[in-house]
Amino acid sequence: DTEVTQTPKHLVMGMTNKKSLKCEQHMGHRAMYWYKQKAKKPPELMFVYSYEKLSINESVPSRFSPECPNSSLLNLHLHALQPEDSALYLCASSQDGDSSNEQFFGPGTRLTVL
Amino acid sequence: GQNIDQPTEMTATEGAIVQINCTYQTSGFNGLFWYQQHAGEAPTFLSYNVLDGLEEKGRFSSFLSRSKGYSYLLLKELQMKDSASYLCAVAYGGATNKLIFGTGTLLAVQP
Repeated sequence: DTEVTQTPKHLVMGMTNKKSLKCEQHMGHRAMYWYKQKAKKPPELMFVYSYEKLSINESVPSRFSPECPNSSLLNLHLHALQPEDSALYLCASSQDGDSSNEQFFGPGTRLTVL
Repeated sequence: GQNIDQPTEMTATEGAIVQINCTYQTSGFNGLFWYQQHAGEAPTFLSYNVLDGLEEKGRFSSFLSRSKGYSYLLLKELQMKDSASYLCAVAYGGATNKLIFGTGTLLAVQP
């Protein structure tokens, strides 16, 4: 299994809602990532988990809260988002945090904040 | 600061060869990746270079010059399905890999 899965595929939420994005991989990877990608822009790193511990937070607003319940799962909890947070949210995983390891990307969750 | 530049768009003909350039200035360097991304889909890995020189993989080759902060992706025998965005990404950081992506090059392959 060389796949990263993400649910839901699409999400529409209001600014007062609380929702969660989910990501799963069964490749035994120990590093997992959240990226945000706006239309016609490259992915921007948000968070990195290494061995289930948060190792990088790229100064992301607290309305985004990551969680890594175990080595296969990664969640992104959303609360009080703004319309400008509408984007494609990509999850990725790699064997570990070593720079030579390719990252495998999931298909993304397309988020719309009304 | 971190800066990675690529041409925004390129057009090429089916069966031809195209070279997509990437220049970078980053505070660290642990290697350079090329990813392909079709519209609405996830990026998929194409190549990784950490040493100077050319890496060849089928129809795709990637070149790196660390001293010049320069890389290129060479696509041969272009096919219509190669129409996509091509993202150059530099890996940097300490104990944990961070990727910073270039702006991406949208390649259109025409018949």
